[in-house]
Amino acid sequence: NAGVTQTPKFQVLKTGQSMTLQCAQDMNHNSMYWYRQDPGMGLRLIYYSASEGTTDKGEVPNGYNVSRLNKREFSLRLESAAPSQTSVYFCASSFLNQPQHFGDGTRLSIL
Amino acid sequence: GESVGLHLPTLSVQEGDNSIINCAYSNSASDYFIWYKQESGKGPQFIIDIRSNMDKRQGQRVTVLLNKTVKHLSLQIAATQPGDSAVYFCAERAGDYKLSFGAGTTVTVRA
Repeated sequence: NAGVTQTPKFQVLKTGQSMTLQCAQDMNHNSMYWYRQDPGMGLRLIYYSASEGTTDKGEVPNGYNVSRLNKREFSLRLESAAPSQTSVYFCASSFLNQPQHFGDGTRLSIL
Repeated sequence: GESVGLHLPTLSVQEGDNSIINCAYSNSASDYFIWYKQESGKGPQFIIDIRSNMDKRQGQRVTVLLNKTVKHLSLQIAATQPGDSAVYFCAERAGDYKLSFGAGTTVTVRA
């Protein structure tokens, strides 16, 4: 049972480079989410997709874009990476109003 | 900003003792609460949830208590084991499916 799979697990970028983080789930969930986690803080919602074909901004969307490619896949793109975007990124999925299931994260460093 | 927070950032517990992790929330409209466990290098893992029409819910070795009068949530872990060492997050939801997370409590189990 794969659950939520995120790729890559680690990435180092230079300021100004672009990058797409991939996320796929095999639980047939309708909703998918992207969070970032910074040291000593809880998770903050970047974007979410309530269902296939829809995306909405969360708490910290600036500097990011998302694509809900199909029901299984939800990608997060950094068009021009900045050091402030150094973080651990988590993807999650769920049925509506049910607990979210998380992947193991992508650790992103921007120099 | 965050509306969910934990009273203590760290908790040290003797193996075999019971653990109590506390969480305060400020949004009186929140109707769903959830606890996650996060081990080092992993994504958050669902432990237990509770809806606002309940004040107690039990799982395997865990109990969640909800006091809506004082906006307080707690997670009790019975007979704490070394494998319980992790960061524990509470999260709340107010009407939609977006979760707001607290900053987390790091639990260390002493042998």
